[in-house]
Amino acid sequence: GAVVSQHPSWVICKSGTSVKIECRSLDFQATTMFWYRQFPKQSLMLMATSNEGSKATYEQGVEKDKFLINHASLTLSTLTVTSAHPEDSSFYICSARGTQRRTGELFFGEGSRLTVL
Amino acid sequence: AQKITQTQPGMFVQEKEAVTLDCTYDTSDPSYGLFWYKQPSSGEMIFLIYQGSYDQQNATEGRYSLNFQKARKSANLVISASQLGDSAMYFCAMREFSNYGGSQGNLIFGKGTKLSVKP
Repeated sequence: GAVVSQHPSWVICKSGTSVKIECRSLDFQATTMFWYRQFPKQSLMLMATSNEGSKATYEQGVEKDKFLINHASLTLSTLTVTSAHPEDSSFYICSARGTQRRTGELFFGEGSRLTVL
Repeated sequence: AQKITQTQPGMFVQEKEAVTLDCTYDTSDPSYGLFWYKQPSSGEMIFLIYQGSYDQQNATEGRYSLNFQKARKSANLVISASQLGDSAMYFCAMREFSNYGGSQGNLIFGKGTKLSVKP
């Protein structure tokens, strides 16, 4: 089945630094990828929709300059948390939509747990 | 208004028994899909089962079945013969196929139900 790989799984950084998280579709091309944020014991909240070759679409309330998204190829999207602060500590999950018509299923990465000190 | 409602924050079930996790949804889109995902403590989202709005029969995948009641807009997940490894968060989600809005058919998630299986 389709696989989405996310890296790194865990990252700890100092306040003020930037962190890049990669999301790769391993065996299919993903023109659209989604980035979610999940706080402890809460649901997934969509942050932005990443489109290959064009600018990402951000959800209301998500700072574009804070969370930079680049979807440079059909198999890779990156989320960069710039000038990270402790309140950015969270679980970030990406997903990619496969090309299968039946379900429009999203395949999820393993998630990246960010801790900002 | 919430599009996906999961009213059970937490559920307990005895091992080997069946359990039903509730999910109701709200949409005016005639074409939509309903998904259930399992999220263990490690964090990854594991796809369990899918039901399309036009599917005539309830979806089944092994020990998972979806009790789809379209008129009531409910899509409850039934897990039969619960196992200890079933302990996890379970999320119901919906994708509206006709109305992409601004997010190109993104999945809308409920708040989840934490299932604990007792030995």
